[in-house]
Amino acid sequence: DGGITQSPKYLFRKEGQNVTLSCEQNLNHDAMYWYRQDPGQGLRLIYYSQIVNDFQKGDIAEGYSVSREKKESFPLTVTSAQKNPTAFYLCASSTVGQPSRQYFGPGTRLTVT
Amino acid sequence: AQTVTQSQPEMSVQEAETVTLSCTYDTSESDYYLFWYKQPPSRQMILVIRQEAYKQQNATENRFSVNFQKAAKSFSLKISDSQLGDAAMYFCAYRRGTTSGTYKYIFGTGTRLKVLA
Repeated sequence: DGGITQSPKYLFRKEGQNVTLSCEQNLNHDAMYWYRQDPGQGLRLIYYSQIVNDFQKGDIAEGYSVSREKKESFPLTVTSAQKNPTAFYLCASSTVGQPSRQYFGPGTRLTVT
Repeated sequence: AQTVTQSQPEMSVQEAETVTLSCTYDTSESDYYLFWYKQPPSRQMILVIRQEAYKQQNATENRFSVNFQKAAKSFSLKISDSQLGDAAMYFCAYRRGTTSGTYKYIFGTGTRLKVLA
């Protein structure tokens, strides 16, 4: 089955620790995205990548880092510099041509205490 | 910068009735895509419908249809014959066209739809 996998579904960390969320896709999509979802704020773009070894900051990149070493993988690291990391994180991918749409993973709920 | 606005945080509809969710957007582009995504309690994002800006005809997918008003920058979603399974958060989203060089998707803040039995 083609799709996007995110693991784990729930993640718990202590404050001050970095944590990496995984995102893997087997759709052969060039573009990948990370979003953060908080109640009442919709989806906010953290980082996105349109090609291997290249990525751009989204609207709320501070305290996050990413890498894109392989086309199918786009891991997100939530660093200790992120002031309010507890949130639901969604990974997505898309083609860069037509037709245009995004495919989403099931998400990871991160709780930092 | 492009923005997407959903002015209805919450809507309710009686089962089997019709409901319309509103979305407006701001852009200076002429070529772009618009989407409605559904997020049920499982939180899995599901594409409901897509509209290409260059197409004048409104998109339709079974019970879901849009009213795309390009000049007014409005993109509303109509759900006919509402079902209990339609209860979810609905997000409107915008993407710049392929000639623009970047592929960011911009989402609204969502509308929570409740379906009453």
